Formats: sequence, C-alpha cells, structure tokens
Amino acid sequence: QVTLKESGPGMLQPSKTLSLTCSFSGFSLSTSGMVVSWIRQPSGKSLEWLAAIDWDGDKYYNPSLKSRLTVSKDTSNTQVFLKITSVDIADTATYYCARTIAAIFPFDYWGQGVMVTVSS
Amino acid sequence: DIQMTQSPASLSASLGETVTIECRASEDIYNGLAWYQQKPGKSPQLLIYNANSLHTGVPSRFSGSGSGTQYSLKINSLQSEDVASYFCQQYYNYPLTFGSGTKLEIK
Repeated sequence: QVTLKESGPGMLQPSKTLSLTCSFSGFSLSTSGMVVSWIRQPSGKSLEWLAAIDWDGDKYYNPSLKSRLTVSKDTSNTQVFLKITSVDIADTATYYCARTIAAIFPFDYWGQGVMVTVSS
Repeated sequence: DIQMTQSPASLSASLGETVTIECRASEDIYNGLAWYQQKPGKSPQLLIYNANSLHTGVPSRFSGSGSGTQYSLKINSLQSEDVASYFCQQYYNYPLTFGSGTKLEIK
C-alpha cells in the first residue's frame, strides 16, 4: 500500500527558511523511474508544481522559484525533503508531495498535504 | 513553460446530466495530459491519464478525450459525489503545469 505524508512547521515568519519532509512507504525511490514531486496550493486556488527528485538523484525545479528551492532525499530512499528560503506571505499554502512512476507520467499517489502559514 | 487554460471556472448542473470541462495547452503536449478530482479538504485524486485512459478504480462515467493542444473531461450521469474541483495537468515537459481548475456544483 502506497502512502505519502508531509510534515512541516505549520507556521513561520517571513524571511525564514521553510523545511518540509515527505515520508513515504509502499515503494522505494531507488526503483528505476520513480519520482517524488512537491506541489503547493494556496487556499481556494490552483496547484503549482515546485520541484521533483527522481530515483537517480536528478533534480527538477520550477524556474519561477528555482533560486529559493532545494529538493533532496535521504539515503534510505524513504524520505524527500524540500527547503524554501526567504519565505513571504505568498508562500502560505498547503504543500503536497506526490509520486510518479516515471518522468513522463501523472501523479498517481498524493500525500494528505500540510498547511503552512507565513505570518509575522 | 506550457500554459494550461481551463474552462469553465465553475459549473452547475443537475443530477444525471452530462458535463464537459475543457483544457487547452499553449503547445502540443502529445497526450501527456491528466485530470484530477479534488474534494474539499482533500488531496487531488487521479482520474484520467494519457488524455483518455481511466485510472484504476475510477467510475466509467468519467472519460477523457483530445489531442494536440485541446483536451476535455466528460462526466456522464452526474452524481452527488462528483461535487468537487477538477484540474488538468500536463506532464509532457518540465515544469509540470496545471490548469486553473473547475468547481462543479449540483443545481
């Protein structure tokens, strides 16, 4: 059974660094083709893809945010991390991690999402 | 970046009706198109992939069609449990991009 779960600070102040963790089970990120992405959704708005890391350690970023994003994974291939530097109010959103089984494939499993509020 | 233009933004229909949601890509995405359903407070769920393939467990009243830059999602015999927001997404190329969403309500 594939599951993903996001965790994060809940709330943080502007200009700080947001650190998110995606913990998953039921698959391994070391499996050829596997990709885990981060996607966010401000309340009442659409979805924005942020970054992805694949089974081979290759990383992909949304160019609009690339300078602020860092995606990584742990050596056991059961967790993926995302850091966003210099957050501001516009980064307030629900953050999801999701899996794809190949680079050119949709998201077949999503986490429940974690709400992050940026506020002073 | 490939822009995804989705319409309509909202839709109200009666139970049993058929509804169609459209998505247009800014360039050819060669059927690299998925549709997701998102119910309030929940994460998106995959409905359709490769433009017209039904994901496992999705009711057959959902169908997808299209090619090139134009795609659509059709829901036949609308049910109360279909009340949700629907999003298209292209996965032909990075950065992955989503449509703006369609909120479906029952009249």
